[in-house]
Amino acid sequence: QVHLEESGGGVVQPGRSLRLSCAASGFTFSSFAMHWVRQTPDRGLEWLAIISSDASNINYLDSVKGRFTVSRDNSANTLFLHLDSLRVEDTAVYFCTRSFVYGVARAHAFDFWGQGTRVTVSS
Amino acid sequence: DIRMTQSPSSLSASVGDRVTITCRASQDISSYLAWFQQKPGKAPKSLIYATSSLQSGVPSRFSGSGSGTDFTLTISGLQPEDFATYYCQQYKSYPFTFGGGTQVEIK
Repeated sequence: QVHLEESGGGVVQPGRSLRLSCAASGFTFSSFAMHWVRQTPDRGLEWLAIISSDASNINYLDSVKGRFTVSRDNSANTLFLHLDSLRVEDTAVYFCTRSFVYGVARAHAFDFWGQGTRVTVSS
Repeated sequence: DIRMTQSPSSLSASVGDRVTITCRASQDISSYLAWFQQKPGKAPKSLIYATSSLQSGVPSRFSGSGSGTDFTLTISGLQPEDFATYYCQQYKSYPFTFGGGTQVEIK
């Protein structure tokens, strides 16, 4: 069965960096686009980034562009999110999700989610 | 960015009730609308995509409808395990955006 497991969260000071990982199993990882989504009590669910199955196409939420970098290692079935120049407002639970493509327009619909990893940015 | 507005933000209902949640998009998103269920401390669970298509394993008491800017999620015959927060999401264009959530509580 499909399983996604995030790791790498923790407490970090403002301005520092962190790398989150999402280990995938139970499916052919290299065939699916993947996303990062975060959740806070104030802003709710916030989509951050998508990386295509072969990493040739990447899109980011404007507010994290230039600070967050999504990547993947298909040989290791792992998705990454590198967070730079962290701010207090980046404090959130970070989820990885899988999407499948359907229709002529090749729309991306989410299906499976990981359990999330908590990032706390605090001095 | 496309803004997604859900209503109500919370509701109280009894087991067996029919519950309807509304989601409005700030611009036409065709049928690119999904619904998710989230319980406290857990990850969201995908329920519906393409406005009305159930994800695998989702009970048939869940249904979705709408198009363009106005959408609904209906739970026909609320079950104890359905008490949770529900979110809509548009995926017509980047950035994908979510509604603020509707908390379904036990009356």
